Amino acid sequence: EAQVTQNPRYLITVTGKKLTVTCSQNMNHEYMSWYRQDPGLGLRQIYYSMNVEVTDKGDVPEGYKVSRKEKRNFPLILESPSPNQTSLYFCASAPDRGSYSPLHFGNGTRLTVT
Amino acid sequence: QKEVEQNSGPLSVPEGAIASLNCTYSDRGSQSFFWYRQYSGKSPELIMFIYSNGDKEDGRFTAQLNKASQYVSLLIRDSQPSDSATYLCAAFYNQGGKLIFGQGTELSVKP
Repeated sequence: EAQVTQNPRYLITVTGKKLTVTCSQNMNHEYMSWYRQDPGLGLRQIYYSMNVEVTDKGDVPEGYKVSRKEKRNFPLILESPSPNQTSLYFCASAPDRGSYSPLHFGNGTRLTVT
Repeated sequence: QKEVEQNSGPLSVPEGAIASLNCTYSDRGSQSFFWYRQYSGKSPELIMFIYSNGDKEDGRFTAQLNKASQYVSLLIRDSQPSDSATYLCAAFYNQGGKLIFGQGTELSVKP
């Protein structure tokens, strides 16, 4: 089954404790992206990757890191999480970043930082 | 500032009625537009996309695009309670290859 898989689905952590949210897609997509979704603010892009070893900042990159060492994986790293990073996170992928390529979303990770 | 605007709702319609969801975008350079449905706590799922002026139909869903007015809409015919969700409009901007999402419109279909 073609899918984007995120883990974990739920995560509760404390301020300052490094964490990684994994994302993997099995569709051989070139493009991958991370979004966070907050009430009233909609989906906001954190980072994206056009291909292996090519990453770039989205609209809200502060406090996050990503890497793209393999085509299928695009982990999101929070080196020192803070409470304002409590949010619902989505990983997404697309065949490419052409205008007609729809995004396919993972199931989401609900992160709570206390 | 590239923006996509939607009424947050909630939009309430009776079962069997037509639900009309609207979206405007700020950048004339946008080429394609996507409608996603998102159930509470779930991930967005693609309903349809449109890139040519006019109507595009898929089952009970019709997307409409008017580039001159910078306006996109989604019509849902014969609305069902299972259509109750938040509908996200997204516009693709060639500059930067970004997909910009609106805040979503919450739809409630009452039995």
